[in-house]
Amino acid sequence: KNEVEQSPQNLTAQEGEFITINCSYSVGISALHWLQQHPGGGIVSLFMLSSGKKKHGRLIATINIQEKHSSLHITASHPRDSAVYICAALVGGGSQGNLIFGKGTKLSVKP
Amino acid sequence: KAGVTQTPRYLIKTRGQQVTLSCSPISGHRSVSWYQQTPGQGLQFLFEYFSETQRNKGNFPGRFSGRQFSNSRSEMNVSTLELGDSALYLCASSLEAGGRQFFGPGTRLTVL
Repeated sequence: KNEVEQSPQNLTAQEGEFITINCSYSVGISALHWLQQHPGGGIVSLFMLSSGKKKHGRLIATINIQEKHSSLHITASHPRDSAVYICAALVGGGSQGNLIFGKGTKLSVKP
Repeated sequence: KAGVTQTPRYLIKTRGQQVTLSCSPISGHRSVSWYQQTPGQGLQFLFEYFSETQRNKGNFPGRFSGRQFSNSRSEMNVSTLELGDSALYLCASSLEAGGRQFFGPGTRLTVL
């Protein structure tokens, strides 16, 4: 069993829909990252969070440390949101941290 | 501020050769991490450098090594290349170790 699990693996949505991507982890973490990777390969760090909730534009990330679960929400989805979304758990503290990645969720938003 | 740059962007090598990849972090960032991405394994952590010291290492064989220079630029070396080393190699920099990371465009290595 992977230490970081994402669901769903693939997601197709219509433009305007509300999207949720889930990430569960089985190890103790000091932080969790959400990354976005476009077809060309470039990766953008969306959020790094260790508790609560963060919001940036139409993107919202939440984390529940007790339940070892994080979600990434996209409101009013748009075709340009089509990408692979990856969660990564930072295991170990600060300078000794090691990122463990989920397999990614491939999102396709249709116009 | 310029982003993370990686050179070369594409590379083709043959089995048994060795390769050196370069990463220049965002100005002021002192931490550089390296990752390997393959279709089968996804993203995997290789190692992290902070102030010229390797802080952490992933589960990769000793053929994979790296270093960081005093200007925070980092190089990654893979010796005795194998077919399975074909991958996208990404580096990311952050202000401090364990901080929010900014990724470079990657180097796509093909081993024939």
